[in-house]
Amino acid sequence: NAGVTQTPKFQVLKTGQSMTLQCAQDMNHNSMYWYRQDPGMGLRLIYYSASEGTTDKGEVPNGYNVSRLNKREFSLRLESAAPSQTSVYFCASIRGASGANVLTFGAGSRLTVL
Amino acid sequence: AQSVTQLDSQVPVFEEAPVELRCNYSSSVSVYLFWYVQYPNQGLQLLLKYLSGSTLVKGINGFEAEFNKSQTSFHLRKPSVHISDTAEYFCAVSAFNSGGSNYKLTFGKGTLLTVNP
Repeated sequence: NAGVTQTPKFQVLKTGQSMTLQCAQDMNHNSMYWYRQDPGMGLRLIYYSASEGTTDKGEVPNGYNVSRLNKREFSLRLESAAPSQTSVYFCASIRGASGANVLTFGAGSRLTVL
Repeated sequence: AQSVTQLDSQVPVFEEAPVELRCNYSSSVSVYLFWYVQYPNQGLQLLLKYLSGSTLVKGINGFEAEFNKSQTSFHLRKPSVHISDTAEYFCAVSAFNSGGSNYKLTFGKGTLLTVNP
């Protein structure tokens, strides 16, 4: 099983450019999440989708937008990239957004904004 | 509100030595507790979890953790580490009554375990 697949794995952008990070899961999970990971900061939640058709802001949503395209896919868009958005981005999914359940993570997308 | 504190950002140890990675949490409600591991250039994967019952929880690769409610701690231990255990370890907490759009998993900032030969 592929689990959670993220594309691209690496991307270099110039300030002001836009791009979309794609995420797809094949586990029939209901909820999906986008995190960013920065050194010494742990993982911070950007946006999440508790179920198909819904999206909500996390801790650090500024500069990002998301689309829950269908149950499988959840994309993250940077409209005008800034150097502060240089980070490793992780998509994750969970069968049901219940406290006892376990997140499944993708392998990550490393983004550099020059 | 809930929070997680991992007391050590880096822990260097020699191979075959014991290790303890410390985690304390704060929450106004009962919680579930998790340890995730991130090997170099990979995503996070579950190491172990505490949901209820026995406070000593065993996970993959010989790791175990003990839930201490009075000290609000969930420390991770391994009696003898290997080079392959070199990774970053994240403690995480979710509220017992969270669900749907109220579900929230809060991560600590991580502890980098480096096992030296």
